[in-house]
Parts: sequence; C-alpha cells; structure tokens
Amino acid sequence: EVQLVESGGGLVQPGGSLRLSCAASGFTFSSYAMSWVRQAPGKGLEWVSAISGSGGSTYYADSVKGRFTISRDNSKNTLYLQMNSLRAEDTAVYYCAKQPSPAAAGTGPDYWGQGTLVTVSS
Amino acid sequence: QSVLTQPPSASGTPGQRVTISCSGSSSNIGSNYVYWYQQLPGTAPKLLIYRNNQRPSGVPDRFSGSKSGTSASLAISGLRSEDEADYYCAAWDDSLSALFGGGTKLTVL
Repeated sequence: EVQLVESGGGLVQPGGSLRLSCAASGFTFSSYAMSWVRQAPGKGLEWVSAISGSGGSTYYADSVKGRFTISRDNSKNTLYLQMNSLRAEDTAVYYCAKQPSPAAAGTGPDYWGQGTLVTVSS
Repeated sequence: QSVLTQPPSASGTPGQRVTISCSGSSSNIGSNYVYWYQQLPGTAPKLLIYRNNQRPSGVPDRFSGSKSGTSASLAISGLRSEDEADYYCAAWDDSLSALFGGGTKLTVL
C-alpha cells in the first residue's frame, strides 16, 4: 500500500524558512517522480514543484521559483521541500504526491499524502 | 486565476448525470493528458481519471472522462450523495509546469 506522510509544517514568520519532508513507503521510491501541491485555506489546488525519480530534473511554479527547492533522498525514501523567503500567501496545506512514472513532466499525481499545514504570519 | 477554467459549481439530483467541464489551451490540454481529482470535505485529493479517460482500479465506472481539442469533461452518472465533493482537472503545460483548474463544487440536491 502506498503511503506518503508529510511533516515539518508549522507557524513561521514572513521572510522565514521551513523544510517539509515526505516519507514514502509501499513502492520503489526511486522509480517514480514526486511532486508538491498546496491548497490555501478555502481555496483550490495549486501545483508547486515536481522532481523526477532520479532527482535530475526539477520543475517549479513561477510563484515559488527562486524561493523553494525540491529535492529527494532515494536512500531514505524521502522527498523534501525547502521553503525560503516565505510570504503570507504561501500559507496553505502542502501535499506530497507520487507520480505514475519516473518522469515528472506530463503526468499527474496518482497518490497523495494527507498534507501538512504551513502558516506564514507574524 | 487558474489557466484551466472550470465552472465553480454544479449540481444534480440522485440518479442524474452531471458533467463538469475544463477549458484550457493548445499548450496544456491541447497537447497533454488531462487528469481529474475528487476531494471530499476535509480529505486529500483522490485520482479519479488519468490520461484523459482512464479509471484507476477501484473508481466506479459511473465516472468517465473525455477530451476534445483544448477542453475536457468529467461525467458522473447515477449521481449519489457521496459524490458531493470538489472536483479538479489538471494538465501539464508545454512551459514545463503543471496546472490545476479552479475546482468545481458538486452539490447533490
């Protein structure tokens, strides 16, 4: 059974940093691309970033480019999202999601975690 | 504002057939697969349709997807109360970013 468990969310001040983690199990982690998708309170889904199975290709939404960094440790079956220069508009539930192929581009997530809440506020 | 456009709401009575549209452009829906997700209140999204019209195992055949040109649709037949949820379309764009529609809230009357 595919399981994705996010952690690392919390309250952070504007301009601060936070690192989210996603522990994956139930599948061969390195064989699949992964992504982060967020949902602001009461709003719709917004794609944030994606990374290929090998980690060699990464993609970002314009809204986070230059501030967020996606990475993965295939030896630990863990996905990360380093978030810097956080803004109030980054406040959202952040979902970790598995893609159905090693290539990130072109496919949508097939499994989702339960999400972790990030609140950016002073 | 989402690049993929969905109606904000839809409704139907039990047993009815409802459709939800998703409009994009040649750089996203027109040249890439469309995915559909269901999000029940307070839960994570769940994959309903992949590659335009394919259903993952476990998704009832009441749910179907289609694509034509730069638009896609999700159809739900035999509407049930448990289908009341938010529905999102998604597709990659040729600019190498993924897009979600704004979401459609389905109400079962």
